[in-house]
Amino acid sequence: RKEVEQDPGPFNVPEGATVAFNCTYSNSASQSFFWYRQDCRKEPKLLMSVYSSGNEDGRFTAQLNRASQYISLLIRDSKLSDSATYLCVVSRNTDKLIFGTGTRLQVFP
Amino acid sequence: DAGVIQSPRHEVTEMGQEVTLRCKPISGHNSLFWYRQTMMRGLELLIYFNNNVPIDDSGMPEDRFSAKMPNASFSTLKIQPSEPRDSAVYFCASSLRGGLSNEQFFGPGTRLTVL
Repeated sequence: RKEVEQDPGPFNVPEGATVAFNCTYSNSASQSFFWYRQDCRKEPKLLMSVYSSGNEDGRFTAQLNRASQYISLLIRDSKLSDSATYLCVVSRNTDKLIFGTGTRLQVFP
Repeated sequence: DAGVIQSPRHEVTEMGQEVTLRCKPISGHNSLFWYRQTMMRGLELLIYFNNNVPIDDSGMPEDRFSAKMPNASFSTLKIQPSEPRDSAVYFCASSLRGGLSNEQFFGPGTRLTVL
């Protein structure tokens, strides 16, 4: 079983829609959590960190449920430019990141 | 500011050949990471360095893979001999350990094809 599991998608949504991605992790010792974004044939880039109390950055909201070992990302008012692969990432220390295989999002006009 | 620089961007080689991938981290960063990405396995950490010292190489697949960081501004990942199953995108990333966020910044990757 992979340490970080994500639904690969693709999620095909129209512009303006709200879409949510989920991720589960298996190691309860995980301490830090992130969402990275990766465009096609590009490198991953940090989208946002995920805090225990949940956090929001514009149209993006991330939530963490430590009891269920579950992380989510909500995107409101989807834009065409949101089309990408979203990688769920956990870390047991500040150095080593463990990536999920990603969830692909396609926003259509 | 220049980000993480990787070379070559694309490499096509034949099985059995030696492949050397290069990385220049962001100036001032003290941690460097080598990852491999495939469709099947996603992004996997191969090895990482702190202050030029290898800390964890448990992700290196086998002895055919080796990595060095002779100074703070340069690292190499070598595969010798290469095999078709090594075909993947290899990313280098750097971060400032002890900084505010420890965010890892990725280079553009080297797309390796072993025939």
